[in-house]
Amino acid sequence: DAKTTQPNSMESNEEEPVHLPCNHSTISGTDYIHWYRQLPSQGPEYVIHGLTSNVNNRMASLAIAEDRKSSTLILHRATLRDAAVYYCILRDVEWLSNNDMRFGAGTRLTVKP
Amino acid sequence: EAGVVQSPRYKIIEKKQPVAFWCNPISGHNTLYWYLQNLGQGPELLIRYENEEAVDDSQLPKDRFSAERLKGVDSTLKIQPAELGDSAVYLCASSSTALEELFFGEGSRLTVL
Repeated sequence: DAKTTQPNSMESNEEEPVHLPCNHSTISGTDYIHWYRQLPSQGPEYVIHGLTSNVNNRMASLAIAEDRKSSTLILHRATLRDAAVYYCILRDVEWLSNNDMRFGAGTRLTVKP
Repeated sequence: EAGVVQSPRYKIIEKKQPVAFWCNPISGHNTLYWYLQNLGQGPELLIRYENEEAVDDSQLPKDRFSAERLKGVDSTLKIQPAELGDSAVYLCASSSTALEELFFGEGSRLTVL
């Protein structure tokens, strides 16, 4: 199954954009790229997902490389409430394997006022 | 609409004692997940249900852990007997179908003394 690689931690200043990278060099053609985040003392929450094209929603934007081997979650203006652990996960839409929805260690984002 | 409800939020027990966690998923959600999360790590999948059927329990330590989802709605995760290393947060999540976004509860924090 395809794996993802993320930096352990990143820092950002409040009200500045944040770019959270994810590498997935062994991604398959049917893998969707999903992002979840986990705020302190809470369960993870869904952020965004995409397949090939860039995606935008009220929480964030997802930029997917043309070869799909990497992606970037973009928070356009970080707030203190965006401080969380961000997880990048691949999900195969055609084959729901026993390795579906496996979380890695994620990226811990610190937002400085 | 109510989210995923878990209880208890906190539980402290002595080793070798049994413990049970309960999860009520979002109404109408067919897929239910149990995760274990150790401090500073990402959630680890224990078991996934499709309605009342456990379709992915490869990571569940079956010697001491058991789970059930009677009637395909609520679910219970049990540990008997508990060991010191079981101290963690136990997260429940649900989704409307297997490939839709997951909604997580707040988790049950277990401390084994």
